[in-house]
Amino acid sequence: AQTVTQSQPEMSVQEAETVTLSCTYDTSESNYYLFWYKQPPSRQMILVIRQEAYKQQNATENRFSVNFQKAAKSFSLKISDSQLGDTAMYFCAFMKQTGANNLFFGTGTRLTVIP
Amino acid sequence: DVKVTQSSRYLVKRTGEKVFLECVQDMDHENMFWYRQDPGLGLRLIYFSYDVKMKEKGDIPEGYSVSREKKERFSLILESASTNQTSMYLCASSLISQGYEQYFGPGTRLTVT
Repeated sequence: AQTVTQSQPEMSVQEAETVTLSCTYDTSESNYYLFWYKQPPSRQMILVIRQEAYKQQNATENRFSVNFQKAAKSFSLKISDSQLGDTAMYFCAFMKQTGANNLFFGTGTRLTVIP
Repeated sequence: DVKVTQSSRYLVKRTGEKVFLECVQDMDHENMFWYRQDPGLGLRLIYFSYDVKMKEKGDIPEGYSVSREKKERFSLILESASTNQTSMYLCASSLISQGYEQYFGPGTRLTVT
């Protein structure tokens, strides 16, 4: 079974600062995908960033980047130059490479960007 | 842009009622999913479907059923609603390709009294 753990239920960051959200996972799979999703208040969940486990290079999307440590089963999200619009729930998620491609989610981290 | 819509944003039902939650996607995605979101528990998969008339149980299927008669529509059915089914329900869709991102609907907040 796959489990995803987000140990920080809530975090806050000053506008323009950098923040890192933690995620660890447990799996016996060797190939898989990892995702960070963002759920703004009262708005739809959207994909922030995606990482293929077979790729050593960490994924980046503008101000968002990940630190993927496969051996440690760690997948943290770094948000640089935080903006007020980054205020949201952030979910880390895991997908197997084979079989059913449903997502296994962590419990989420509520991030508040302070003006 | 992919669009996933859900029939209601807010719904209030009584215990024992039969409840239908509808989800429609407009991108010809093969996969569709129903998740339940509860504080402190994240999202948990109820059912998913990879094709018309096909369905697979997720982690918490008890008390729920689903229907997929057309590719674009995936319905979640609560046969006899109970108070412990009060929750936020999220629908998602994706291509069948492995690793493809899921696109989510806005959610339905269901309250069972």
